[in-house]
Amino acid sequence: GAVVSQHPSRVICKSGTSVKIECRSLDFQATTMFWYRQFPKQSLMLMATSNEGSKATYEQGVEKDKFLINHASLTLSTLTVTSAHPEDSSFYICSAATRDEKLFFGSGTQLSVL
Amino acid sequence: GENVEQHPSTLSVQEGDSAVIKCTYSDSASNYFPWYKQELGKRPQLIIDIRSNVGEKKDQRIAVTLNKTAKHFSLHITETQPEDSAVYFCAAQANNFGNEKLTFGTGTRLTIIP
Repeated sequence: GAVVSQHPSRVICKSGTSVKIECRSLDFQATTMFWYRQFPKQSLMLMATSNEGSKATYEQGVEKDKFLINHASLTLSTLTVTSAHPEDSSFYICSAATRDEKLFFGSGTQLSVL
Repeated sequence: GENVEQHPSTLSVQEGDSAVIKCTYSDSASNYFPWYKQELGKRPQLIIDIRSNVGEKKDQRIAVTLNKTAKHFSLHITETQPEDSAVYFCAAQANNFGNEKLTFGTGTRLTIIP
């Protein structure tokens, strides 16, 4: 299958700092990528749809100023958690769709805000 | 919007027996139904998917069935093995062009008892 790379895999930061997470499609171009948040023992919750060259589409209840998404190229989308707080601690996962419309996921980023 | 329900939330099966996980969806426009396997702390992996123009698909020990009339689809794992232990998520998508979001079920934690 296609490869989606996500970095970093784990980050620990102090409250009030910003954290950037990168999601790359390594062997295919993805005009659309998705960002999810997953709490322990729960399903994936879609946060936003990242569209190359345009603004991201955020799900209801997700603060766009808090979770900044940039999709500057067909292979890279970034999620920046701004002014992180302990309640932002979670597992964040990205995904990208291939041309045959299958969705592949990044390896996830475990964010811990102290 | 789409609503996907998944049952059971937990399932324990003796090694070698079969496991069945069921999902229902609400949007009759949904036409793509993937299943993902997620091991603890790792990315969801696509294990099998089905499109609405077929009723059943099989890949070795894994099969998926779809009943469009009743709006439900099921994952069947035969001859279960310890490595099948994981959380399984079903999903539904109304537009399978890769730029429509998936709606996930709440997950089933499958435990294979040796």
